[in-house]
Amino acid sequence: KAGVTQTPRYLIKTRGQQVTLSCSPISGHRSVSWYQQTPGQGLQFLFEYFSETQRNKGNFPGRFSGRQFSNSRSEMNVSTLELGDSALYLCASSPRDRGATNEKLFFGSGTQLSVL
Amino acid sequence: GESVGLHLPTLSVQEGDNSIINCAYSNSASDYFIWYKQESGKGPQFIIDIRSNMDKRQGQRVTVLLNKTVKHLSLQIAATQPGDSAVYFCAETMYSGGGADGLTFGKGTHLIIQP
Repeated sequence: KAGVTQTPRYLIKTRGQQVTLSCSPISGHRSVSWYQQTPGQGLQFLFEYFSETQRNKGNFPGRFSGRQFSNSRSEMNVSTLELGDSALYLCASSPRDRGATNEKLFFGSGTQLSVL
Repeated sequence: GESVGLHLPTLSVQEGDNSIINCAYSNSASDYFIWYKQESGKGPQFIIDIRSNMDKRQGQRVTVLLNKTVKHLSLQIAATQPGDSAVYFCAETMYSGGGADGLTFGKGTHLIIQP
């Protein structure tokens, strides 16, 4: 079974631009979560999608948004980029159904975003 | 939720020795804990999990211990191998809350294996 696939692997943008990151979950997984990883703040939860609906959201500004498609693939968008948005953005999928836990998230290798 | 912390940012051990990585959590409402391993250039990889109704859980070469009294979690790796070199993260969430809040990760411990 193929793992979680994230594209692109690396991305360089300038302040004020917007960016869209893509994630293809493991086949059959219906839940997709996004995390931001930085050296200073570590891994932080952005949001989770299940069956095309955002189920949970972390403490990030509205510039961070996402969506999930009917095939469970997900995209994450960051508008009006700031220097502090430079980070590794990780996507994770899970087979869990509604009401189950966050257990056993399967992570992709991430998209390394650099904002200049 | 509150942050989950780790005691040491770096741990160096001899190949073949046992490694113990510690984690202190502060959210007493958390009832589900997970250890992840992250190798350079890769995303975190699930190692083992434990629920708050357990004190100990064993996997292949790994054991997780949970002490709810002092809110402490540890990961023990037996007979450490070069392939165990990575950053290890503990994470917590509320299982009873339906996993609503996402995982809260600690800062990570970099395990270095000396030959």
